[in-house]
Amino acid sequence: QVQLQESGSGLVKPSETLSLTCTVSGDSINSYYCSWIRQPAGKGLEWIGRIYTGGRTNYNPSLKSRVTMSVDTSKNQFSLKLSSVTAADTAVYYCVGRYCDSTTCFDNWFDPWGQGILVTVSS
Amino acid sequence: EIVLTQSPATLSLSPGERATLSCRASQSVSSYLAWYQQKPGQAPRLLIYDASNRATGIPARFSGGGSETEFTLSISSLEPEDFAVYYCQQRSNWPLTFGGGTKVEIK
Repeated sequence: QVQLQESGSGLVKPSETLSLTCTVSGDSINSYYCSWIRQPAGKGLEWIGRIYTGGRTNYNPSLKSRVTMSVDTSKNQFSLKLSSVTAADTAVYYCVGRYCDSTTCFDNWFDPWGQGILVTVSS
Repeated sequence: EIVLTQSPATLSLSPGERATLSCRASQSVSSYLAWYQQKPGQAPRLLIYDASNRATGIPARFSGGGSETEFTLSISSLEPEDFAVYYCQQRSNWPLTFGGGTKVEIK
């Protein structure tokens, strides 16, 4: 069973860069993909973007100018960087895999989810 | 960007009652709609994908329907563990978007 675990700094200063890592366990990430989704406290979900292990990415246009996603297959890890952060970027950040049933994997249906990591932007 | 509007914002029901949640898309998403359940302090969980297919391990009391711009999630008989927030999500167009959520609370 695939599990995802986010890690990184929980406190980032305004104007600096948020950096998070998602470690995948229970399977090789070859031919895998990871989406990043965030959720401000008490609010809804926002899709940030996704990356395949081959390096192909898709980003939300609202964040595209500040987002960089990457993959390290040797470590079974995906990474997210968000630059020039403000208080509006304070949220729980989730890394999420694509849902697979017994025979098929479905791009852009989200499961499993990591437990999430709270990132606070504050000086 | 496709906007998903969920209604009602809050649904107050008793255990054993039927819940019907709505998700309306600003343009057609065909059947590319999913539903998620989120409990306090937890990550969301996929319930329904492609509008009407239950994800692995999801109880049969959960069902989804609809197409194009109008979708529903029904819970036939609410169990205590079903009181949570529910989100819809589309994958028809970039960027992927979520609805604002419906909270199902105990009456």
